Amino acid sequence: AQSVTQLDSHVSVSEGTPVLLRCNYSSSYSPSLFWYVQHPNKGLQLLLKYTSAATLVKGINGFEAEFKKSETSFHLTKPSAHMSDAAEYFCVVSEWAAGNKLTFGGGTRVLVKP
Amino acid sequence: GAGVSQSPRYKVAKRGQDVALRCDPISGHVSLFWYQQALGQGPEFLTYFQNEAQLDKSGLPSDRFFAERPEGSVSTLKIQRTQQEDSAVYLCASSDRAGKGDEQFFGPGTRLTVL
Repeated sequence: AQSVTQLDSHVSVSEGTPVLLRCNYSSSYSPSLFWYVQHPNKGLQLLLKYTSAATLVKGINGFEAEFKKSETSFHLTKPSAHMSDAAEYFCVVSEWAAGNKLTFGGGTRVLVKP
Repeated sequence: GAGVSQSPRYKVAKRGQDVALRCDPISGHVSLFWYQQALGQGPEFLTYFQNEAQLDKSGLPSDRFFAERPEGSVSTLKIQRTQQEDSAVYLCASSDRAGKGDEQFFGPGTRLTVL
């Protein structure tokens, strides 16, 4: 079975400072990992994904994540937060053997202070 | 191009009523998923179609929930005899293949409120 734990339910950062969102996963097989962002009253948007190629994955809007198998982690980072980054972020795991259904973490709400 | 669309966007039902939620996936997408997102939580898997075949319905919470995709495109999620605990946002997603790590494109969701 697959599962995801997002270690922080809320993160508050100042504009221009780094952002770190922590995620640990559990998977029986070789997983695919994703980060999705959900802005208020908008649909889920894919930020980036890992599917067994390079362990450092770059996504949209300056976000990147590193897959660490030994630590079963897939933390999301951004060097400099922007006001528009305020949103809910979800770490997600899927297994092809399980039909690619997505298992979401509980989410991390990011607040960006001016 | 057009993304995944869902209708209605908002639905209010009295307890015990039946509701039907519609999903129009991106044209040509093979895979279609339904998820349920309760307030303040991450989405949870309900069911999965590959073309018209429902390959996984393990996430449907009870036999009051039923989904179909008869022609392999539009899908409908039906909830019979709605209960207050059914109140949530119902999300539909589609992907163009069924390969490892394929991106799922999400619709805006239908917010269901059961009074």
